[in-house]
Parts: sequence; structure tokens; C-alpha cells
Amino acid sequence: KAGVTQTPRYLIKTRGQQVTLSCSPISGHRSVSWYQQTPGQGLQFLFEYFSETQRNKGNFPGRFSGRQFSNSRSEMNVSTLELGDSALYLCASSEQGGETQYFGPGTRLLVL
Amino acid sequence: AQSVTQPDIHITVSEGASLELRCNYSYGATPYLFWYVQSPGQGLQLLLKYFSGDTLVQGIKGFEAEFKRSQSSFNLRKPSVHWSDAAEYFCAVGANSNYQLIWGAGTKLIIKP
Repeated sequence: KAGVTQTPRYLIKTRGQQVTLSCSPISGHRSVSWYQQTPGQGLQFLFEYFSETQRNKGNFPGRFSGRQFSNSRSEMNVSTLELGDSALYLCASSEQGGETQYFGPGTRLLVL
Repeated sequence: AQSVTQPDIHITVSEGASLELRCNYSYGATPYLFWYVQSPGQGLQLLLKYFSGDTLVQGIKGFEAEFKRSQSSFNLRKPSVHWSDAAEYFCAVGANSNYQLIWGAGTKLIIKP
């Protein structure tokens, strides 16, 4: 099976812009989780989707949103970008959500 | 509250020496336990996992971990490290009744030649 894929791999944006990141899970996996990883804050949970429904949400402002499509592919959107949003954004998929997660390579976002 | 503690932010070991990375958790339900490894700029790769059964689990790259319920620990070990093991290691806890994993802060492993 193909692994988790994320596009794009690298992105440079300026403050105030918005960005959309995409994640394609492993075939058959219905749960997709998103994480933000920064050197100072470590790995922080953003949200988790299962069958097109958001089941869990981390402690992030409303500028961070996501969605999941019927084929389980997921997107996350960050509006009104701030310098502090510069990070590695990781997507992980799993069959049901609470068990083994498989990670994509991440999207590295730089906000200038 | 559910939490995972990796008490060591950095660990430095010599190549060929043994390694133990510590992980302690606080979790109400019977946990699933995981160790992941992350090379710089990459995603996380699953090293090993414990769901039930034998408390000593073997993983990839020669790693093993032992679940000790009485100590709420799931320490990762390797008898002899290689320079390629330099990376950051994350411990995580989950459960069938939950939909997300709880993550430790990570331990960065540095290998001395």
C-alpha cells in the first residue's frame, strides 16, 4: 500500500495570507489527524477527522480549520497567517483513530 | 489527566554503547503504547507498539521496549547504537476508547563517534 502523502512539501507565504495543505491517507484508513511541530512547542495536535466529521480538536485558534472528503483525503487551512505559524505540519492516518498512526513526510511552512 | 512524560530532552551516547530512553504515562484506561522516531525534517516512523500480551516488544532497527504496568513505564532500549540512530524519539499513548494519541515531548538522541 502507498503511504501517507502530503502536498506541498514546502511552502513560503507572507503574513496575512492563507494556505491550504493536503493529505492523502493510506488506502482504507478513515481517520486523519493533523499536527503542528515547532522547535519550541514540540508536537501539537490540531484536529482529527473520521468519516468526514471532526471528532477531536486541539487548542488552536479558529484560523486553523480542516475538512475531510468522502475518499478520506483531508485538507487543513490556515487563514490570516502569522509568523508563529511557521512550522512542520504533519498528517497521520489510521484505521479508526486511537491506534497506530502512520505519518506523512510533512509540509514545511515558512511565513515571512 | 492523561499525560506522557519523557524526562530526558537530550541524551548523548557513544556509538556502540547501549541505550535506554524513558517514557512514563498517566492514563486511566488500559493503554496502547507506541514509540516513534523522527529524523530531521522528516515525518515520524513507527518503531514499535504494545497493545497486549508479551510485555517485551521487538521493533524495527533492533529496538525493543518493555511495558511495566506497575511503574506506568514503556522504556525503549537498544543494545548497541549506530550513528544512524541519531534522531528524535517520541513516546505516545492511546486507547481503543479514544480517538487520538497523547504524545511525549520527545528525546533527542545524539551519538558520539
